[in-house]
Amino acid sequence: GAVVSQHPSWVICKSGTSVKIECRSLDFQATTMFWYRQFPKQSLMLMATSNEGSKATYEQGVEKDKFLINHASLTLSTLTVTSAHPEDSSFYICSAREEISNQPQHFGDGTRLSIL
Amino acid sequence: GIQVEQSPPDLILQEGANSTLRCNFSDSVNNLQWFHQNPWGQLINLFYIPSGTKQNGRLSATTVATERYSLLYISSSQTTDSGVYFCAVEGLTGGFKTIFGAGTRLFVKA
Repeated sequence: GAVVSQHPSWVICKSGTSVKIECRSLDFQATTMFWYRQFPKQSLMLMATSNEGSKATYEQGVEKDKFLINHASLTLSTLTVTSAHPEDSSFYICSAREEISNQPQHFGDGTRLSIL
Repeated sequence: GIQVEQSPPDLILQEGANSTLRCNFSDSVNNLQWFHQNPWGQLINLFYIPSGTKQNGRLSATTVATERYSLLYISSSQTTDSGVYFCAVEGLTGGFKTIFGAGTRLFVKA
């Protein structure tokens, strides 16, 4: 079945560095992928829609200059957390689905980001 | 945008008990999924169920799209059922966006 792979699974880095997270659809193409953020004991909040070949669409309140999204191919979207600070520490998850009717969303396993 | 409400927020069960989790949504949907999030954060897809009823072992789900709700049934609960259950919906508009409810946190006691 359709699989979404996310890398890395976890990352620890110093404040001020930039961190890139990759999201790949392994056996299907996706012109649209989604990035979510989850704080402890909370739900998943949609951050942005990643569009292949065009700019991402960000949800209200999400800083586009802080969270850079690049969707350069039909199977890869990247999220870069720029100049990360401790408050950016969170669990980030991506998703995609086959763009034919009646298909579920497939989610990556998530990336746990800790900024020291 | 579409709103998703789940109830109850928290649930404690004795092992062997049955339970029903509810998901209400504010508009027509293209897609509805139930997930179980494990302690490592992985979302385990339980059901893809925009309408109708499905069963998988001790779990079953029913979505009544015309009345905008879905139910997840857990029978003969086990301690391994503990965790957070999310309902997630994709509206008819918004380009495949999937919105999550706040979740139900389930704890099954031995």
